[in-house]
Amino acid sequence: GDSVTQMEGPVTLSEEAFLTINCTYTATGYPSLFWYVQYPGEGLQLLLKATKADDKGSNKGFEATYRKETTSFHLEKGSVQVSDSAVYFCALSGRSGGYQKVTFGTGTKLQVIP
Amino acid sequence: GAVVSQHPSWVICKSGTSVKIECRSLDFQATTMFWYRQFPKQSLMLMATSNEGSKATYEQGVEKDKFLINHASLTLSTLTVTSAHPEDSSFYICSARGGSGTEAFFGQGTRLTVV
Repeated sequence: GDSVTQMEGPVTLSEEAFLTINCTYTATGYPSLFWYVQYPGEGLQLLLKATKADDKGSNKGFEATYRKETTSFHLEKGSVQVSDSAVYFCALSGRSGGYQKVTFGTGTKLQVIP
Repeated sequence: GAVVSQHPSWVICKSGTSVKIECRSLDFQATTMFWYRQFPKQSLMLMATSNEGSKATYEQGVEKDKFLINHASLTLSTLTVTSAHPEDSSFYICSARGGSGTEAFFGQGTRLTVV
């Protein structure tokens, strides 16, 4: 079945540092890929998405490129802020058993210190 | 983006009782809804997928008689935790997807504590 693997956290960075959170996936067909963010005490919010190979999703300074050849969708940001501290989930949307299904990675906690 | 409302946001119940959690899509018709359970170490586990008007499809290892899911309309799905026990204490999250889109929108989650 579909699966998503993302780097374990927690990741601790100083403000203005460069961020990379790795994400790789296994899926049949051509899934859509997502990054979700969960701020402390809140539900999940969609951060960015890409629906086909070589698409780049971007939002709030975060970017991720859909790489079919490496089955990856790594999240990057050039300069993190304290307000970016949250848990980040990589996810894919594909069909399984006739239904559209979203599969999540285990999440990576990011802590940005001033 | 579209709005999914989950209610209640937190609930405390006694062991042996049942708890119902509602998930509503407020401004779109959700043909498919998903229920997840989030464990303390951040992982999000899909419990079941429900399509409006049909029985839910449960993931392996999820007890369908314990976690009752109803998706009676295009804007409402409910998860009922029956005969709750302390080990059922967790954060439950629903998401909803419209008919032709690939993006799922999430509710705020429900923190269930069974005492």
